[in-house]
This record gives sequence, C-alpha cells and structure tokens, in this order.
Amino acid sequence: EDQVTQSPEALRLQEGESSSLNCSYTVSGLRGLFWYRQDPGKGPEFLFTLYSAGEEKEKERLKATLTKKESFLHITAPKPEDSATYLCAVQYYTGNQFYFGTGTSLTVIP
Amino acid sequence: DTEVTQTPKHLVMGMTNKKSLKCEQHMGHRAMYWYKQKAKKPPELMFVYSYEKLSINESVPSRFSPECPNSSLLNLHLHALQPEDSALYLCASSQELGGWGYTFGSGTRLTVV
Repeated sequence: EDQVTQSPEALRLQEGESSSLNCSYTVSGLRGLFWYRQDPGKGPEFLFTLYSAGEEKEKERLKATLTKKESFLHITAPKPEDSATYLCAVQYYTGNQFYFGTGTSLTVIP
Repeated sequence: DTEVTQTPKHLVMGMTNKKSLKCEQHMGHRAMYWYKQKAKKPPELMFVYSYEKLSINESVPSRFSPECPNSSLLNLHLHALQPEDSALYLCASSQELGGWGYTFGSGTRLTVV
C-alpha cells in the first residue's frame, strides 16, 4: 500500500494562473511532512517541513498547508521558473525512513 | 557550509568497469544516505549510514558496495553493473538517523553501456 500519493501527476499552468498540488498520506503517526522541488537531473531541494495539522509555511509564491490526512502546496501567480517536479515525503515516528510520493511535474507556460 | 557535494556529476561506464561515486558534507550530519532515482520516479532508498556504520541496506545487489570512511564522506563503489542500473544516484544527509529533513546533493547521472 502506497504511503504517499501525490496528485495531479502533471500540471500545466499559464503564467499567473494559481493552483494547488496535493499530497495525501495513509498511515497515522506522522512525524513530519516535507516538500521538495526537483529540477531535471538535479537533487531535490528542500522547501518546507510541516509537523502538525493546521500548520502553514510560505516562501515567495509557494504556501504549504497540512491537515490530518493531506498537504497542499499552493502556487500563487506562478512564473516559468517555478516549472519543476514537486516531491512530497513523509516521515513517521515508527522507523526512520522517508516515504516519497511520485511527484507532480509542474510546467508554467509564459 | 550547508551543502552535500557529489562527484562526478556524470559517469558513463561499461558493464565490466569498476567506478566509485563520492559524496561529501561538512554540516556535521551523522546520518548519510544513498538513493537511486529513475526517470519520472521518486528516489528509492539504497543504503543508510549512521555514525559511519551501515544501518540500512534495502536489499541492494552486491554490485553496489557502500563505504563510509569518515563522518563527512560516503562512497558508493560500482562493479559489474547492468544497463538497468543507469539512473540518477543521490546522496543525502541528516543531523541524525531519522532527523528532520534530508539535505540532498545534486546527484551523479550514471549511464551503464
């Protein structure tokens, strides 16, 4: 059973067209949820950590929120340079591993 | 220094070659990780080192051999690889095993011919 599910798999937006990416997790005992940005051929770049339901973090045009079952990455007025794959990962109190989602490939068209 | 540095950035090797990937961090992190990532897939954990000792081996074939010579360095020795081993190999570190968030390197793009 998948621990982390991300949707949509791919998203194309016009520049300035705001939208949200979803990350849902299936197991209780969440220790932390992480958002990463990954450019092609590069390593994931850390964006946010969320620890508890109701928490929100912001960075430039990105805002991450967390509920008891899912997290959203909101992108406001995106620019072409926001084009990348956005990965969600969760960490539980039991065990030490990260469970990565399959990512959302975002393309922002000028 | 808040980076994880991986070398080389690109590597092409034959199936009979022996090569090594190198990873270095100077953040004082005591846990280091090797991940393998195929195109359009999430990273898959291969090995975890904690305080220079192998902590997790995710049933990786023996043609991949990790080594942690000291707390700042992590190597991945490659021998007799197969074309399907071609992938992006990522190194990551965290303050402790299971520590908050991982810092990733930029990866080594490996092509096995």
